[in-house]
Amino acid sequence: DTGVSQNPRHKITKRGQNVTFRCDPISEHNRLYWYRQTLGQGPEFLTYFQNEAQLEKSRLLSDRFSAERPKGSFSTLEIQRTEQGDSAMYLCASRWGGQNTGELFFGEGSRLTVL
Amino acid sequence: TQLLEQSPQFLSIQEGENLTVYCNSSSVFSSLQWYRQEPGEGPVLLVTVVTGGEVKKLKRLTFQFGDARKDSSLHITAAQPGDTGLYLCAGAKSYGGSQGNLIFGKGTKLSVKP
Repeated sequence: DTGVSQNPRHKITKRGQNVTFRCDPISEHNRLYWYRQTLGQGPEFLTYFQNEAQLEKSRLLSDRFSAERPKGSFSTLEIQRTEQGDSAMYLCASRWGGQNTGELFFGEGSRLTVL
Repeated sequence: TQLLEQSPQFLSIQEGENLTVYCNSSSVFSSLQWYRQEPGEGPVLLVTVVTGGEVKKLKRLTFQFGDARKDSSLHITAAQPGDTGLYLCAGAKSYGGSQGNLIFGKGTKLSVKP
């Protein structure tokens, strides 16, 4: 399978703990996006990378959130000192940035539950 | 903040009926995409519209981009249970050059009963 891969698929943690999610994009895609989706809502943009550079961050991305894409391939999203409000599906997507109208290919998401 | 409003939020219909889903904004988008998402999966692209007034057809699905590129609609003819899912519209925020992120609407949850 050469699609976007995310892990873990599910994570249950206690409030105050740190969690990290990993995303492996489609290999030839230079752009990688993180979105958050809560029940009944559409995906909310968090941040995106072009190669290893983080080009844009949403105001939703508080200082407890940090994302990296050190070698321009896989990316990690870390949430420190988790809160119950962080419970959501975290979606990763990738695409080739050469086309402004290019399709976003999404992974299956990492569902976070904060107790 | 550019917002995309989708209506209706929920739609439950019988197999064979027609339906239209709307996506509206006060902002102009350089392009607009429609995605379909099933439970436990990520969204999957259905179509991209770029030109104002553009109409695209995908089997029983017809997509239209408003003349002013602020709104779009999705019409499904003779809906089938397999059409059940969350339909999301997403607008491209930037113009020309390199494109930034996509802004998503909240989605329309469609249920088609046999």
